[in-house]
Amino acid sequence: AQTVTQSQPEMSVQEAETVTLSCTYDTSESDYYLFWYKQPPSRQMILVIRQEAYKQQNATENRFSVNFQKAAKSFSLKISDSQLGDAAMYFCAYKGPQGGSEKLVFGKGTKLTVNP
Amino acid sequence: SQTIHQWPATLVQPVGSPLSLECTVEGTSNPNLYWYRQAAGRGLQLLFYSVGIGQISSEVPQNLSASRPQDRQFILSSKKLLLSDSGFYLCAWSWGSPLHFGNGTRLTVT
Repeated sequence: AQTVTQSQPEMSVQEAETVTLSCTYDTSESDYYLFWYKQPPSRQMILVIRQEAYKQQNATENRFSVNFQKAAKSFSLKISDSQLGDAAMYFCAYKGPQGGSEKLVFGKGTKLTVNP
Repeated sequence: SQTIHQWPATLVQPVGSPLSLECTVEGTSNPNLYWYRQAAGRGLQLLFYSVGIGQISSEVPQNLSASRPQDRQFILSSKKLLLSDSGFYLCAWSWGSPLHFGNGTRLTVT
């Protein structure tokens, strides 16, 4: 079964600095999808960024970017110019190929604190 | 555009009482629907998912059940709540990827 591991239960960063959150996963599939979700104190799950495994180019969304290392099964999230509003739980998630299981498997999350 | 509605936002129920949480999706047809539970300070556990009307897959044995009586309606139920059913319940939908989540229901069983 696919698993997603986030090895950092908590991280902190100074405002305006850069922070990287780690995620590794285990799968035997060659085609799949990876996501980072943000859960602020309101507890709403917000999609931050997504990556298709067949794409070699790392996804970028404004201040958020990923480092996707397919061979290493690693999918880290980099937040640049951190803002106070970035403080939240961040969850890495995996979904298998189209036509396969529709389940999304989540890691246990990393709590990010942004210090002013 | 697609929207997902989940209610109620909070719920306090005594042990042994029944439960019904409802989730509806607008603006899309034949979505995949999901129920996740999040215990305090922990990740999301998939409880049920559905790829069509009347089609329910259960991921973990538990005191809960799910039903999909209509294409865009997904209901989480229990006949008798346990203390361990307390948590934050999230409904989600997808058509392809990714998942889009509702605002969640905080359930406290007393």
